[in-house]
Amino acid sequence: DTEVTQTPKHLVMGMTNKKSLKCEQHMGHRAMYWYKQKAKKPPELMFVYSYEKLSINESVPSRFSPECPNSSLLNLHLHALQPEDSALYLCASQPGVSSYNEQFFGPGTRLTVL
Amino acid sequence: DQQVKQNSPSLSVQEGRISILNCDYTNSMFDYFLWYKKYPAEGPTFLISISSIKDKNEDGRFTVFLNKSAKHLSLHIVPSQPGDSAVYFCAAHMNRDDKIIFGKGTRLHILP
Repeated sequence: DTEVTQTPKHLVMGMTNKKSLKCEQHMGHRAMYWYKQKAKKPPELMFVYSYEKLSINESVPSRFSPECPNSSLLNLHLHALQPEDSALYLCASQPGVSSYNEQFFGPGTRLTVL
Repeated sequence: DQQVKQNSPSLSVQEGRISILNCDYTNSMFDYFLWYKKYPAEGPTFLISISSIKDKNEDGRFTVFLNKSAKHLSLHIVPSQPGDSAVYFCAAHMNRDDKIIFGKGTRLHILP
């Protein structure tokens, strides 16, 4: 299995809702990433997990809360989001953080905040 | 099935020479293509893009060529410099979904 899967594909939520995005890989990769991508812009790095520990948090607001329950799974918990948080959220994985290896991207979750 | 393929996981090029990074795609509905550069533990940064109606776009040392009939694009870096050592991602934009699909990347190593 050489894929990164993300669920759901689309999510519409209100500003008071709590929801979660899920990312999964079974390639034995120990680095997992969350990116936010706005239309026609490059992906912005949000969080990096290395060996299930948060290693990089790019000053992301606390309304985004990542979680890595095991080496195959990465969640992004969402609470009290703003309309400007509407974007494509991409997950990616890599064998290790400090490497020049290929990075495998998931298909993304299209999030709309009303 | 991968819609954007970078078949070379890595490439080594002498400093000062030309680096050529290749990318193939399967979906003729992509409306533009992008190249990103990524250092370890950082997010990708945008390098250059090309519309599907063009066959060449140049920006400084970087040129992207698009061959629509072959569904192939390439990124040329001339001359290659040590700071160009990174992973390069090819990506394609699908207008219907407003989505960008990434290849797996090619590691470029510039040799002194």
